[in-house]
Amino acid sequence: DVKVTQSSRYLVKRTGEKVFLECVQDMDHENMFWYRQDPGLGLRLIYFSYDVKMKEKGDIPEGYSVSREKKERFSLILESASTNQTSMYLCASSSPGTGFNEQFFGPGTRLTVL
Amino acid sequence: GENVEQHPSTLSVQEGDSAVIKCTYSDSASNYFPWYKQELGKRPQLIIDIRSNVGEKKDQRIAVTLNKTAKHFSLHITETQPEDSAVYFCAASIGGTSYGKLTFGQGTILTVHP
Repeated sequence: DVKVTQSSRYLVKRTGEKVFLECVQDMDHENMFWYRQDPGLGLRLIYFSYDVKMKEKGDIPEGYSVSREKKERFSLILESASTNQTSMYLCASSSPGTGFNEQFFGPGTRLTVL
Repeated sequence: GENVEQHPSTLSVQEGDSAVIKCTYSDSASNYFPWYKQELGKRPQLIIDIRSNVGEKKDQRIAVTLNKTAKHFSLHITETQPEDSAVYFCAASIGGTSYGKLTFGQGTILTVHP
């Protein structure tokens, strides 16, 4: 049974703080993704990674960076948090290969930036 | 890049009725179309998917249809039950490339009234 975990369910930060969101998966998946979920906007891809130390920008990368030092762990970094980054953040992973593979999601981190 | 539009944004039905959610996509190269269900407070989970070499796929009370010419696909839920109440997301991808990167629609909040 695939398990994707995220470091926090709820997080409150101040404007300008550096924020780290961590995601860990236990299924040896090569692909990992970070999304933000906002009402009426669906799930929007921030960054994804297809291998250790490899990353690619998604649709809304501005204001975010990522780190993948180990295969099982994918971190999302907000260098200087702003109020418009208040959102639900979801991590996902999938097995490599054909690209027809299911993405498994973590429980999400609800981030509030004050 | 790919753009996926999903309608309606909210859908309210009586238990036992059918529900239909529609999505359109822009990139004719897209060939993989999954649907995810997100219950309140939980993570999105894959419920059904379809590849472009198939026009329809069924799994018990849910079915997905695909019209490649018109670039739209739909989720059909028959004999709806209260436990079908959730947010449903459609997505599109170019399977075989792009590491399984999905573009999601905006989501549909389905409410099934007992």
